[in-house]
Amino acid sequence: AQSVTQLDSQVPVFEEAPVELRCNYSSSVSVYLFWYVQYPNQGLQLLLKYLSGSTLVKGINGFEAEFNKSQTSFHLRKPSVHISDTAEYFCAVTRNTGGFKTIFGAGTRLFVKA
Amino acid sequence: EAGVVQSPRYKIIEKKQPVAFWCNPISGHNTLYWYLQNLGQGPELLIRYENEEAVDDSQLPKDRFSAERLKGVDSTLKIQPAELGDSAVYLCASSLGTGESDEQFFGPGTRLTVL
Repeated sequence: AQSVTQLDSQVPVFEEAPVELRCNYSSSVSVYLFWYVQYPNQGLQLLLKYLSGSTLVKGINGFEAEFNKSQTSFHLRKPSVHISDTAEYFCAVTRNTGGFKTIFGAGTRLFVKA
Repeated sequence: EAGVVQSPRYKIIEKKQPVAFWCNPISGHNTLYWYLQNLGQGPELLIRYENEEAVDDSQLPKDRFSAERLKGVDSTLKIQPAELGDSAVYLCASSLGTGESDEQFFGPGTRLTVL
């Protein structure tokens, strides 16, 4: 079985500061990893995904994430946040063998202050 | 390109009443998903369709929930009768392919309140 843990439910940060949103997962098989963002009153949209290859993945809006297999982590980072980055961020995993099921974490609310 | 469309956006009903949600996926997307999102939680899969076939409905409470995807395009999710605990946001998503690596595109959701 898979599981996803987002270690912080809320992350307040000042504008132009760096931010890291943490995600750990567990799975008995290989997985694909995703980060989605949900702005207020909107659906989730994909920020980035890791399928294979380079462990550093770059996404939209200046976000990047690093896959660490030994630590089973996929933390999301941005070097300088904007007010417009205020949103809910979800980490998700999908096993790539033995059947398809996407598991989402509980989400991290990023609040960017001026 | 139009995104995933859901209606209604909000629904308030009394317990024991029926309710239905409608989803129109992105044109050409073969896979359609219905998710349940409780407050403060991530989405949880209820059912996944590949074209008109429900390929994973293991998490759908079949005693009160039903879904259909006629002609492999639009989909409807129904609850009958609704219970207080069904209050949540119901999300519809679609993806072009049927693979695990495919990006899912989400609609804005239907917020259900059961009184």
